[in-house]
Amino acid sequence: KAGVTQTPRYLIKTRGQQVTLSCSPISGHRSVSWYQQTPGQGLQFLFEYFSETQRNKGNFPGRFSGRQFSNSRSEMNVSTLELGDSALYLCASSGGTGGNSPLHFGNGTRLTVT
Amino acid sequence: DAKTTQPPSMDCAEGRAANLPCNHSTISGNEYVYWYRQIHSQGPQYIIHGLKNNETNEMASLIITEDRKSSTLILPHATLRDTAVYYCIVRVAISGGYNKLIFGAGTRLAVHP
Repeated sequence: KAGVTQTPRYLIKTRGQQVTLSCSPISGHRSVSWYQQTPGQGLQFLFEYFSETQRNKGNFPGRFSGRQFSNSRSEMNVSTLELGDSALYLCASSGGTGGNSPLHFGNGTRLTVT
Repeated sequence: DAKTTQPPSMDCAEGRAANLPCNHSTISGNEYVYWYRQIHSQGPQYIIHGLKNNETNEMASLIITEDRKSSTLILPHATLRDTAVYYCIVRVAISGGYNKLIFGAGTRLAVHP
């Protein structure tokens, strides 16, 4: 089975621009979560989607948004980029929402904002 | 949310067992203990998880104390490729499901030749 695929792998944007990141979950997985990783804050939960519905959201400003499509693929969007948005953005998929279903992570998109 | 406490760093000789401890004294009865590791510039890799019983898979063993307040991840024969940051996570149930993981700082394991 192919793992979680995130594209692009690297991205450089300028302050004020917007960006869209893509995630393809493991086949059959319906839950997709997004995380931000920075050296200062570590790994932080952004939001989670299940069957095209956002179920939970972390403590991030409204500039961060996402969506999930009927094939479970997900995108996240960051508008009006700030320097502090430079981070590794990670997507994870899970076959269920119970505590006994592991999350599997992709290798992330590294976003640099200049 | 249940919080975990891990030592910031550990060393291990190649070929020896690596025992990584984790305290989770506020864990609730329906909360699972998960272990992930992250090698630089890659996404976290799932290792193992458990609820009450000890668990073993091809990567590692997980020993959970009877009171569930602590656990130990065991890598039986550490190799240089096991050098990584290891995260112990208590997976909590929140509205809508369990899929919000709260990562701490983890343990940086260095395996030496």
